[in-house]
Amino acid sequence: EVQLVESGGGLVQPGRSMKLSCAASGFTFSNYGMAWVRQAPTKGLEWVATISYDGSSTYYRDSVKGRFTISRDNAKSTLYLQMNSLRSEDTATYYCTRDLTTEGIGWFAYWGQGTLVTVSS
Amino acid sequence: DIQMTQSPTSLAASVGESVTITCLASEDIYGSLVWYQQKPGKSPQLLIYGATILEDGIPSRFSGSGSDTQYSLKINSLQPEDFASYYCQNGLSTPYTFGAGTKLELK
Repeated sequence: EVQLVESGGGLVQPGRSMKLSCAASGFTFSNYGMAWVRQAPTKGLEWVATISYDGSSTYYRDSVKGRFTISRDNAKSTLYLQMNSLRSEDTATYYCTRDLTTEGIGWFAYWGQGTLVTVSS
Repeated sequence: DIQMTQSPTSLAASVGESVTITCLASEDIYGSLVWYQQKPGKSPQLLIYGATILEDGIPSRFSGSGSDTQYSLKINSLQPEDFASYYCQNGLSTPYTFGAGTKLELK
């Protein structure tokens, strides 16, 4: 059974940093692209970043480019999101997702339970 | 960026009815359209990918159609567990973009 378990969320002040982790199990982690998708309270879904199966390619939405870094450790089956210079508009539940196939297509087949990041002073 | 315009924003229906949700892409996404269902307090769940392909384990009352820029999700014979929010997503290229969502409520 595919499992994605996020951790690392919480309350953080504007301008500070936070690192999210996502522990994956139940599949061969190194075969799949992964992504972070967020959802602000009572709002819709917003793609944040994607990383290829081997970590060689990364993609970001414009609003986080230069502030967030997606990475992975295939030996540990873990996905990360380093978030710097956090803003109030980054407040959201962050979901770790796995692509449906190994083809690198952005179809998000599996989702973690989410971790809430609140940016506030 | 590809914009995804989803309608309606909300929809009220009764158990047993059929409903259709539509999604319009700002440019051709060549069938790379995904539908998700999200229940309150839960993570989204993949329903349909490639515009028409039903994910394993999803009931056959859900179906997707469309091509180019116009797509739709149809739910036949609504069941109590279907009342939730639904999102479409451009899966063609980054930035992957979602529709604003449709909240399906019990009439």
